[in-house]
Amino acid sequence: GAVVSQHPSWVICKSGTSVKIECRSLDFQATTMFWYRQFPKQSLMLMATSNEGSKATYEQGVEKDKFLINHASLTLSTLTVTSAHPEDSSFYICSARGPGVRQPQHFGDGTRLSIL
Amino acid sequence: AQKVTQAQTEISVVEKEDVTLDCVYETRDTTYYLFWYKQPPSGELVFLIRRNSFDEQNEISGRYSWNFQKSTSSFNFTITASQVVDSAVYFCALSEAQGNDYKLSFGAGTTVTVRA
Repeated sequence: GAVVSQHPSWVICKSGTSVKIECRSLDFQATTMFWYRQFPKQSLMLMATSNEGSKATYEQGVEKDKFLINHASLTLSTLTVTSAHPEDSSFYICSARGPGVRQPQHFGDGTRLSIL
Repeated sequence: AQKVTQAQTEISVVEKEDVTLDCVYETRDTTYYLFWYKQPPSGELVFLIRRNSFDEQNEISGRYSWNFQKSTSSFNFTITASQVVDSAVYFCALSEAQGNDYKLSFGAGTTVTVRA
């Protein structure tokens, strides 16, 4: 089945630093990638949708200057949390979808981000 | 407005009991998809089932079965003869056309605990 690799699995860093999370589709071309955030004991909330070669579309309430998304190739999207603060600590999950809007989303294993 | 409602926050059962998870959705689209995902304590999202809005046939897959009722906008999921390894958070999700993005909207999740 389709595989999506997300890296790193977890990261701990100091407040004020920027953190980059990578999401790769290993065996298919991901024309669309999604980034979700999940706080403890809560559901997944969509942050943004990115189509290869285009600017990401952010959901209401998500700061685009805070969460930089790059989707420069059909197999890689990155999420950079800029100047991270403790309130940004969360579980970030990406998903990727192949060509055709009705293709299912395949999820990465997530990244646990802890900002001290 | 909440598009996917999972009224059950937590369910606790003894091994071998059946568990039914409720899901009610709301959409104006005629074409949509419904999903069930499992999220074990390790955090990764495990795809369980997907149904499209035109297929109300209910099926059984191993110990999993689902009941899709368009008339009541419900998509319930049953685990038969539960096992300890079934302990996880279960999410129901809806995917709508919404401008051809087919984004996923997740319910709040139901935590299932299966005791030995």
